Amino acid sequence: SQTIHQWPATLVQPVGSPLSLECTVEGTSNPNLYWYRQAAGRGLQLLFYSVGIGQISSEVPQNLSASRPQDRQFILSSKKLLLSDSGFYLCAWTGTGGEKLFFGSGTQLSVL
Amino acid sequence: KQEVTQIPAALSVPEGENLVLNCSFTDSAIYNLQWFRQDPGKGLTSLLLIQSSQREQTSGRLNASLDKSSGRSTLYIAASQPGDSATYLCAVEGSGGGADGLTFGKGTHLIIQP
Repeated sequence: SQTIHQWPATLVQPVGSPLSLECTVEGTSNPNLYWYRQAAGRGLQLLFYSVGIGQISSEVPQNLSASRPQDRQFILSSKKLLLSDSGFYLCAWTGTGGEKLFFGSGTQLSVL
Repeated sequence: KQEVTQIPAALSVPEGENLVLNCSFTDSAIYNLQWFRQDPGKGLTSLLLIQSSQREQTSGRLNASLDKSSGRSTLYIAASQPGDSATYLCAVEGSGGGADGLTFGKGTHLIIQP
């Protein structure tokens, strides 16, 4: 069966520090991978999606970047965090045929 | 641009009641619609997925309906239990054929009183 791992679960970082959140999927190949952010009162916002290795699409301009160095690995990064980057970050995957979207357990990021 | 709205934003009902959560979307050209459950501080769990050609899906005490032409979906929960307390989110996938993710509503925060 497929599983998705996301870490860390909680992160507190000072403004201006770098960020690296990692997500890996097991039990499937060539998944579509996504990074979402959930801010209080704002719902889920799609940040990045990837349909294959090295292929990244960005939905909104921001202080973040994403990379997919391996088929089942998706990384969210920032060189310098801003206060507004605080939120709950969720990684997700789906197959290629309009299937269910499966989420990781999320990372609560607090930028202070 | 697709917009998804969920009503009500919050709902509190006694245990045992049947209830309906509502979701509406502005662009009827969708590929599918999903209902998710989110517990506090956790990720989302997919409950039901309805393809655009379908009218409803059922899983246990949950039933989701889809009226694509009117841009509406409902999630019906029968015989509610305290364990059903969570935030329920509706999301639609556009029919453009790309992998550009889902558009989510802001959710309905549901509390089932014991």
